[in-house]
Amino acid sequence: QLQLVESGGGVVQPWGSLRLSCAASGFIFRDYSMHWVRQAPGKWLEWVATISPDESNRYYADSVKGRFTVSRDNPRNTLYLEMLGLRAEDTAVYFCAKDRDSGGYYDAFDYWGQGTLVTVSS
Amino acid sequence: DIRMTQSPSTLSASVGDRVTITCRASQNIGSWVAWYQQKPGKAPKLLLYKASTLENGVPSRFSGSGSGTEFTLTISSLQPDDSATYYCQQYNSWTFGRGTKVEIK
Repeated sequence: QLQLVESGGGVVQPWGSLRLSCAASGFIFRDYSMHWVRQAPGKWLEWVATISPDESNRYYADSVKGRFTVSRDNPRNTLYLEMLGLRAEDTAVYFCAKDRDSGGYYDAFDYWGQGTLVTVSS
Repeated sequence: DIRMTQSPSTLSASVGDRVTITCRASQNIGSWVAWYQQKPGKAPKLLLYKASTLENGVPSRFSGSGSGTEFTLTISSLQPDDSATYYCQQYNSWTFGRGTKVEIK
C-alpha cells in the first residue's frame, strides 16, 4: 500500500529554520519525481518545489526560491524540504506528493501525504 | 508564470444537478491539466489528468474537457459525497487555481 508520511512541522520564530521529511513506502521511490505543496490556513493550494528522481533537476516557486531547498535520499525512500529564513507568510500545512509519471516527464500528483503544519510566529 | 483562473469560487447545487467548473490558463498549456478534490482537513485527491483522463477509482460522473487555455470539470449528477473544494492545476510549471467550493443545497 502506497504511503507518504510527512514529519518535522512545528512552531518556529520568524527568520528561523525547519526541515520537513516525507517518508515514502509502497512504490519504487527512486523512479518518481516528488513535489512539495503547501496550503495556508483557509487558503488554496500552492506548489512549492519539485525534484527529479536523480536530483538532477529542482524547481521552486518564486515565493521560496533562495530560502527553501528540496532534496531526497533514495536509499532511505525519503524526501526533504529544508526551510530557512522563515516568514509569517510561510505558515501552512505542507504536503508531499508523488508524481504520476516514472518515465522522466512531469505529470499530475497521484498520491499525497496527510500534511504537516508549519507555524511561523514569535 | 502561468496563472490558472478558476470560476466560480463557490457554487451551491442540489443532488442530481449537473455542475460545471471552469479554469482558464494565462497561456497555452496543451492538455497538461489535472483536477483535484479536497475535503476539509484532508489531502487533495486526484480526479482527472491530461485534462480528460479519469484517475483509477474515480466515479464516472466526473469528467473533464478542454485544451489550450480553457478547461472544464463537470459533475454529471451531483451526489452528497461531492461536497468539497475542487482545484485545477497546470503541470507545465505546477500552478493551481484558487479553488471552487461546491456545496449541496
